Amino acid sequence: ENVLTQSPGTLSLSPGERATLSCRASQSVKNNYLAWFQQKPGQAPRLLIHGASSRATGIPDRFTGSGSGTDFTLTISRLEPEDFAVYYCQQYGGSLWTFGQGTNVEIK
Amino acid sequence: EVQLVESGGALVQPGGSLRLSCEASGFSFGRDWMHWVRQAPGKGLVWVSHIDRDGSVTTYADSVKGRFTISRDNAKNTLFLQMSSLRVEDTAVYFCVRDGPNYVWYDWGQGILVTVSS
Repeated sequence: ENVLTQSPGTLSLSPGERATLSCRASQSVKNNYLAWFQQKPGQAPRLLIHGASSRATGIPDRFTGSGSGTDFTLTISRLEPEDFAVYYCQQYGGSLWTFGQGTNVEIK
Repeated sequence: EVQLVESGGALVQPGGSLRLSCEASGFSFGRDWMHWVRQAPGKGLVWVSHIDRDGSVTTYADSVKGRFTISRDNAKNTLFLQMSSLRVEDTAVYFCVRDGPNYVWYDWGQGILVTVSS
């Protein structure tokens, strides 16, 4: 099983600041099948990034995904009030899918 | 518009069984893989199970293998999760998810709560 470890667990920032979220895999992610999701309380997750760096339809360009192999990053260039949420990375590797434990981006 | 609507959630005793359904609309259901993902209260997302387009290939997380069965009825555009030998730790919101082209998970249901408690 490819274990995904996200850091930090909690990120306390102010609106307008830059957020950098990390996702590290225990094994190389096949074909960079790495996605990022945003989840707000009481809601289903929303896809932000797929294929490590492709922004999903309708996602603002302040969200950027990067990385390859075992190290991936989600960057939010300038936090908007609606960006405070929990973020999960997820990978697909040959009929097994795993999620990271999540990073909570909270208002400082 | 893609819609995924889960149903069947309930309060059930440990050792009991339950069947979840997910009714799909707005896309060609039989063309896509489907998944179940769960989230225990206050916890993170956990992938549970996957099924391919015609139901011939299924995969499971180790935590549910041998207890849960995923299936689909493409004629009725419906995904199922049969859960048996339920444990307290199976308590969670269960989401059905469409696995679109290139393994992209755009579409999620709203989730349904399963509570396992005596």
